[in-house]
Amino acid sequence: EVQLVESGGGLVKPGGSLRLSCAASGFTFSNAWMSWVRQAPGKGLEWVGRIKSKSDGGTTDYAAPVKGRFTISRDDSKNTLYLQMNSLKSEDTAVYYCTTPPGLGIWGQGTMVTVSS
Amino acid sequence: QLVLTQSPSASASLGASVKLTCTLSSGHSSYAIAWHQQQPEKGPRYLMKLNSDGSHSKGDGIPDRFSGSSSGAERYLTISSLQSEDEADYYCQTWGTDIQVFGGGTKLTVL
Repeated sequence: EVQLVESGGGLVKPGGSLRLSCAASGFTFSNAWMSWVRQAPGKGLEWVGRIKSKSDGGTTDYAAPVKGRFTISRDDSKNTLYLQMNSLKSEDTAVYYCTTPPGLGIWGQGTMVTVSS
Repeated sequence: QLVLTQSPSASASLGASVKLTCTLSSGHSSYAIAWHQQQPEKGPRYLMKLNSDGSHSKGDGIPDRFSGSSSGAERYLTISSLQSEDEADYYCQTWGTDIQVFGGGTKLTVL
């Protein structure tokens, strides 16, 4: 079954850190460019960032609001995508989804991150 | 600047058809987009990738009632024979060399 399963969300204080994971199955993860997308409560979808496949250089790109604070990485041996979030702010509160590019079109179920004191 | 514009809301009657619009910003009319559906309290679901020439490829299990078309900088999602479960938010998405962008979403109400 083609699937993405996120984990690692929770409650964290402003200024804190959290690492999210996304476990992939049912497709060739190592070939896929992977993205993180978030959705604040009651708001629309917001792209967070993307990592290319290692064969395409493995480079990352980030949205302006998270650049310098968030880092995307991947472990192809574990079919797992990561999102390291540092210096968290209240405005980072959202459901975080991992997703593949259009064409493959897979979304995870999301994991909630709440940044609050 | 790469921007996608969607109307905040749309409505149509059960069994009717509706056409949702996503507009690409100036200079980006050749870009492909993707359409996603998000039903209430659920995660997003990929519907299709839509090219500037109107050709599109749908995700697995997406009914034939969903189709896409293009005209200039406009990208359309048409849903025919509307059903109650089509009531949802619909988002368009596009991508550049180092960026991805979502439209603000259209909330579709089925009357």
